[in-house]
Amino acid sequence: QQQVKQSPQSLIVQKGGIPIINCAYENTAFDYFPWYQQFPGKGPALLIAIRPDVSEKKEGRFTISFNKSAKQFSLHIMDSQPGDSATYFCAALGGNQGGKLIFGQGTELSVKP
Amino acid sequence: DTEVTQTPKHLVMGMTNKKSLKCEQHMGHRAMYWYKQKAKKPPELMFVYSYEKLSINESVPSRFSPECPNSSLLNLHLHALQPEDSALYLCASSQGLWGKTQYFGPGTRLLVL
Repeated sequence: QQQVKQSPQSLIVQKGGIPIINCAYENTAFDYFPWYQQFPGKGPALLIAIRPDVSEKKEGRFTISFNKSAKQFSLHIMDSQPGDSATYFCAALGGNQGGKLIFGQGTELSVKP
Repeated sequence: DTEVTQTPKHLVMGMTNKKSLKCEQHMGHRAMYWYKQKAKKPPELMFVYSYEKLSINESVPSRFSPECPNSSLLNLHLHALQPEDSALYLCASSQGLWGKTQYFGPGTRLLVL
C-alpha cells in the first residue's frame, strides 16, 4: 500500500514532442505529490508538486494532471527539448509516513534533436 | 534560496577507513534527511532528523552513524564500509516533516574499495 508505481521505465521522444509519465498510488492518506528531475551525477531537483484538491497544475512547460478517484497522476512536458533529457521521479508524501517520501522507480527520458 | 550543500563531492575510502559526509542548509528548515541512491534507482531513505532529533532510522547498518549538531548541519559518519555501500549519498531538508517539499543537495559520490 506504500508503493508508488511509475511508468514507463524509459521514454524517447523527438524535440517538440510531449512526453507523458504516469504514476499510481494506493495509500489514500498521501496528500502531497512532487516530481523531481535528476541529471546524471546530480541530486534530484524539485520540478513541480501538487496536492489532491487540485486536478491540474502548470509551471512553464511542465504540467501535472491529478485524478484523485483513480489514484493516478501524470507529468506532461510540453515542447520538450534535448535539455529535458534526465531521469524523472514521481513521489508521494503524507499519511503516517512522518516525512518519508515514497518514490516511483523513475523514468529515463531522452529527447532527440 | 533553496540550496543544500554537501561535502565532499567525491570520496574514495577503504573498508577500514573512517570518514564523514557533511550537509548544510541555511533555509531555516527543521527537518533533514540522508538518502542513499544506487545507479538507475530512486533515492532510499536512511535517516530523518526533526528539530535535531533522530525521527526515522530505516534499519540502516550501524557502520553508518548520523549526527545533527545543530539545525543547519547534518553529518553522516562512515566506518568499516563494504564495497556494496558505494553509492550517491544525498542530503535533503524541508521546513517540517508533514507535507513539506524536500530540497536535495548535489550528493557525495562514495566509492568503497
